[in-house]
Amino acid sequence: DAKTTQPNSMESNEEEPVHLPCNHSTISGTDYIHWYRQLPSQGPEYVIHGLTSNVNNRMASLAIAEDRKSSTLILHRATLRDAAVYYCILRDSGKGNKLVFGAGTILRVKS
Amino acid sequence: DTGVSQNPRHKITKRGQNVTFRCDPISEHNRLYWYRQTLGQGPEFLTYFQNEAQLEKSRLLSDRFSAERPKGSFSTLEIQRTEQGDSAMYLCASSPKVRLAGVTDTQYFGPGTRLTVL
Repeated sequence: DAKTTQPNSMESNEEEPVHLPCNHSTISGTDYIHWYRQLPSQGPEYVIHGLTSNVNNRMASLAIAEDRKSSTLILHRATLRDAAVYYCILRDSGKGNKLVFGAGTILRVKS
Repeated sequence: DTGVSQNPRHKITKRGQNVTFRCDPISEHNRLYWYRQTLGQGPEFLTYFQNEAQLEKSRLLSDRFSAERPKGSFSTLEIQRTEQGDSAMYLCASSPKVRLAGVTDTQYFGPGTRLTVL
């Protein structure tokens, strides 16, 4: 599986936007970019995924670079409940189904 | 839809004992996954079922570990002769059947079973 690189931690103020970066320079043409997050004492939960185009859903937006070697998860207005570990994961749709998690980015939200 | 459930939520056992965890996936999800997570790390894949068939096992799944999904619904993960290194959170996830080629599935995780081996 192609590798992703994320900052260990980031901090944000409540009600402000948060941009969580992810580098994936070895991404292949069939890799989807997935984001999951894990709130304290809970299992991971799906946030968003995309292939080439930017994506929006009720939780977040995903901005994908034109060369697909990096992407950014955008939380438009961070709340205290968004404090979690965010994982950027590449998944090849043709190669099995497991998720390969890295260490992720710990997001701290200050009130 | 009540989500993925796991039992027990916590298990404390002595080294050498056997333990068994249960996972009930979301109804009609045909795929079921087990992961293990140690403190400060992301989850690591252990094994994957499609219906009752175990299709992939990680090298992390030593011969002391066995997983079953006998009727394609709930699954059990058993650890025999537990060791202190088995202490971790064991997570189960399920996903629905993918109907379109090239579309990846979304996995829904349970709350996990925290195992402590003394």
